[in-house]
Amino acid sequence: DAKTTQPPSMDCAEGRAANLPCNHSTISGNEYVYWYRQIHSQGPQYIIHGLKNNETNEMASLIITEDRKSSTLILPHATLRDTAVYYCIVRVNQGGKLIFGQGTELSVKP
Amino acid sequence: EAQVTQNPRYLITVTGKKLTVTCSQNMNHEYMSWYRQDPGLGLRQIYYSMNVEVTDKGDVPEGYKVSRKEKRNFPLILESPSPNQTSLYFCASSSWDADTQYFGPGTRLTVL
Repeated sequence: DAKTTQPPSMDCAEGRAANLPCNHSTISGNEYVYWYRQIHSQGPQYIIHGLKNNETNEMASLIITEDRKSSTLILPHATLRDTAVYYCIVRVNQGGKLIFGQGTELSVKP
Repeated sequence: EAQVTQNPRYLITVTGKKLTVTCSQNMNHEYMSWYRQDPGLGLRQIYYSMNVEVTDKGDVPEGYKVSRKEKRNFPLILESPSPNQTSLYFCASSSWDADTQYFGPGTRLTVL
């Protein structure tokens, strides 16, 4: 199963874009990249996922490199409420098993 | 309201005393899963279930049991809890293709 690597922490100024990287160099062709975040000790919250095309929803954008070995989650206009731990997850769709990275602790500062 | 519920939310118990943490979802999801979260280790999957009567091990299944007799419920059983099972536990559910997982509020367990 593919593993993910994320920086342990990042800072971002309020109102600026937050770009969170994730490395998944051993990803297989049928594995999706998912992003979740966790605020304090609440249950994780789904953000976005993709296979090979870039994706965008109301929360964020996901940019996946052409070789699929890495991806970037973009929060276009970070707010203080975006301060959280962000998890990059690689999974086989319909496979059940999730592999969590260590997560990136994003601090959005005024 | 679509939700995943867990009970109890907080539990302090003693070593060896069997306990069950319940998980229930009202979204008719096929897929359910249990995770534990420990400082510095992130979330680790304990067990998951793709449907009724179908369960499989995650990354850290030792010391835990699960059952899936009904679609909406996925209880986590600790037959003989030990202090190293002190942790924050999350239940999650999703539709059959496990696209978006919905997480419960968490159960903070302390085993003395």
